[in-house]
Amino acid sequence: DAMVIQNPRYQVTQFGKPVTLSCSQTLNHNVMYWYQQKSSQAPKLLFHYYDKDFNNEADTPDNFQSRRPNTSFCFLDIRSPGLGDAAMYLCATSRDRAVGGSTDTQYFGPGTRLTVL
Amino acid sequence: GDSVTQMEGPVTLSEEAFLTINCTYTATGYPSLFWYVQYPGEGLQLLLKATKADDKGSNKGFEATYRKETTSFHLEKGSVQVSDSAVYFCALSTGGGNKLTFGTGTQLKVEL
Repeated sequence: DAMVIQNPRYQVTQFGKPVTLSCSQTLNHNVMYWYQQKSSQAPKLLFHYYDKDFNNEADTPDNFQSRRPNTSFCFLDIRSPGLGDAAMYLCATSRDRAVGGSTDTQYFGPGTRLTVL
Repeated sequence: GDSVTQMEGPVTLSEEAFLTINCTYTATGYPSLFWYVQYPGEGLQLLLKATKADDKGSNKGFEATYRKETTSFHLEKGSVQVSDSAVYFCALSTGGGNKLTFGTGTQLKVEL
């Protein structure tokens, strides 16, 4: 089945130690998103890639970076995790109308729960 | 700016009860409207969507109708099951853009 995959499902890191979360997709979608979701809150968009074009949200801290080496993979790098960065990180994808999809329908992966010690 | 308001939870129902979760929105233009469901420890799953006024989205016994005159997209199900226990998010997207605006989510608990 076509899907959005996130690895690992659970990640533990130490305060200040860089960590990378990964997302892959077999949907061949050209848009990929990273969200942060804290307990009992709605997901908050950090940034997205429209093809290779990176789009950062204005309030996303510089501590958060992203890479998209190809269509299928996208990475979230947290350069110096703080205790406040402990959260669920969700990857999502969508397909642009220009290629026969509907950009506004996003498909989510299962998430990576990050713990910062 | 765009916003979504959902009824606060948790909502606790007995199995086979009727469910309504209210959702209203404020948006410029003509948004697409969505309901996503999140089971414990999981990501979000698209439950249903509607892209224009009077459209009804439906899936797994859940329904929601896009009401432009009341700017609402209430989620309903005629008979809930314990397996429906989850958090439900109402969301909108405007102009075919890349950003989803979410409500705060409503936790549903269904008991035997």
